[in-house]
Order: sequence, then structure tokens, then C-alpha cells
Amino acid sequence: DVKVTQSSRYLVKRTGEKVFLECVQDMDHENMFWYRQDPGLGLRLIYFSYDVKMKEKGDIPEGYSVSREKKERFSLILESASTNQTSMYLCASSLGQIQETQYFGPGTRLLVL
Amino acid sequence: QKEVEQNSGPLSVPEGAIASLNCTYSDRGSQSFFWYRQYSGKSPELIMSIYSNGDKEDGRFTAQLNKASQYVSLLIRDSQPSDSATYLCAVKDSSYKLIFGSGTRLLVRP
Repeated sequence: DVKVTQSSRYLVKRTGEKVFLECVQDMDHENMFWYRQDPGLGLRLIYFSYDVKMKEKGDIPEGYSVSREKKERFSLILESASTNQTSMYLCASSLGQIQETQYFGPGTRLLVL
Repeated sequence: QKEVEQNSGPLSVPEGAIASLNCTYSDRGSQSFFWYRQYSGKSPELIMSIYSNGDKEDGRFTAQLNKASQYVSLLIRDSQPSDSATYLCAVKDSSYKLIFGSGTRLLVRP
């Protein structure tokens, strides 16, 4: 069964803190993605990775960075959290370019005070 | 700018009726199309994928694709209150990325 897990369901941080969101998949998928979802704006792609140590900017990468040291793990880093980064963060993975179905983790609801 | 458009709704249907959800997309090069269901506070879950023109049926769900008109739709037969959710249309072009619509909220009235 497909399994994508995220390190936290809920997170509260202070402005200026460095925040790490972790995502792990156990399906040997090549591709991993980080989205944020906000009311009325839908799902927006922050970064994605198609291989270990490879990363590509999505539509809204500003204020974020990512790390993929191992195939199964993709981390999203907020270098200095700001209140406008309060959102639901969703991680997803897919097998490869042909099998494009993306499977989502449960999400992390981040509140930045 | 590649776009995927959906009516935000809510679309309200009585229990047992057919719910029809529509989606249009701007990129003619799009190759794969997906419908996700998202309950409030939860993450999206895949319902159906469709890759070629025509209909694809899976239980009570039917996806319809018309590439010439650049639209994809999802029909839900015998709608149940448990089908009440937001339905996201997603379109994949030649890159690794999916482009999501903002979703249609469906309400099934008992």
C-alpha cells in the first residue's frame, strides 16, 4: 500500500525561526514534491525533486529551500519563518515520469506567530 | 501561464442524484488528467486518472476527457452524503509537474 508520511500534523513556530518539515515515502518513488495549500488559492508547488540530490523550483520557492539526501526523504526548510508562511503543507511522491500519479502525505498545518 | 479552471461551487445535489464536476485546462500539450477528492482538513486522495479521449468508469465514478475542447469532467452516480468533499482536477503537461485547479466543493443533501 502506498505510504507517504510527514513528520508533524500540527506545528506552531515563531517568526524568524528555522523550520524543518520532513516527508518520507516507502514506495521507492523517484519524484517528490512539496506544496502549500491556502483557501481560495488551491495547491501551489514550492519545490520538487526527481532524483537524490536533485531539486527544481516550483511556482513559489521564495523563502523556502529543500534537501533530498536519500531517495525516500524530502525535507522542506523555512530559513526564517514569517507569518505569511502560515499554511497547510503537503508532500507528495510519484514513481517516475510515465507513472505520474502523485500520492499525498497527511499534511502539516503550520502556524507562524 | 498554464491554467486549470474549476467552478468553486458549492455544487449541491440530493442523495441518489448524479453529480457532474467540470474542469477546463489551457495547455493543449497536456497528457494526463487526474481527479482527487479532499475532505475538509485532510490531504487529497486520488479517485481517477484518464489519459485518452472518451470515458473511463470505476464503480460510481466516470471520468470523461475531450482533448479537442480541453475539458475533463467527473460524474458521480448515486451520490451519497459521504461524497461531500472538494474535488480537485489536476493536469500534467510534459514536465514532472501537476497543475491543480482550485477545486469544486460538492454537497450531497440527505
